[in-house]
Amino acid sequence: QVQLQESGPGLVKPSETLSLTCTVSSFSLRSGYYWGWIRQPPGKGLEWIGSIYHSGSTFHNPSLKSRVTMSVDTSKNEFSLKLSSVTAADTAVYYCARCRITIFPADDWSQGTLVTVSS
Amino acid sequence: QSVLTQPPSASGTPGQRVTISCSGSRSNIGTNTVSWYQQLSGTAPKFLIYNNNQRPSGVPDRFSGSKSGTSASLAISGLQSEDEADYYCASWDDSLHGWVFGGGTKLTVL
Repeated sequence: QVQLQESGPGLVKPSETLSLTCTVSSFSLRSGYYWGWIRQPPGKGLEWIGSIYHSGSTFHNPSLKSRVTMSVDTSKNEFSLKLSSVTAADTAVYYCARCRITIFPADDWSQGTLVTVSS
Repeated sequence: QSVLTQPPSASGTPGQRVTISCSGSRSNIGTNTVSWYQQLSGTAPKFLIYNNNQRPSGVPDRFSGSKSGTSASLAISGLQSEDEADYYCASWDDSLHGWVFGGGTKLTVL
C-alpha cells in the first residue's frame, strides 16, 4: 500500500510562494504512475492543481498554470509543489496523490494539510 | 462553477438504493472514463469507482457506477448510515488537458 505524506508551512503570507513536498513510501515514483496535487478550500469541493511524471512531464490546471511549478526528486522518492503569488483564495487543504493520467486523478491520497494564506 | 455538474444533495433511508448523477460534456465524460470518490467528514477522499464501473479492491459491491453519453451515475444499494458522506465524480477533459471534478453531492442517510 503506497503511503503519501505532505510537508510544508501551514501559514503563508499573501503574495508569497506556497511550497509543499510529498514523500512517497512503499512505492517507487518511477513505477509508471503520475503524481498529483489536489486542493479543497474549506467547505468547498475538490480542485485538481496538477500532475507530474518521474521524467518531469507535467499537466497543470489552466486556471493555475502560470503560478504553479512542480518538480520531482526520484533520489528522495518525493515530489513538490510551488504556488506563487498566493491570496486568501488559495487557502485550502492540499492533498498529494498517485494518479493514472486520463484514468483517475487519484487512487491513494495523503491525509491532507491545511495551508492558510494570511498576513 | 464546476465543469462537471452534480446535485448538491441526496438522501435516503437505510436499506434503500440511491443514485447520484454527474453531467459533463463531450470533451470529458463523453470521451473519457469517470471515477468517483467518497469523502467522510474531516477525512481525505476515498477512491470508490474508476473506468466508469470498476471497483478498487476493498470497495463493497453495494457501490456501482455507470456511464451513458456525457453523463455518469453512482448507485449505492443497501444504504447504510456509514455511507453518509460527500461524493465527487471526476473525468479527464481533453480540451483542458486536465482533470475536472464535480462540485460534490452531500448524501444524508435519514
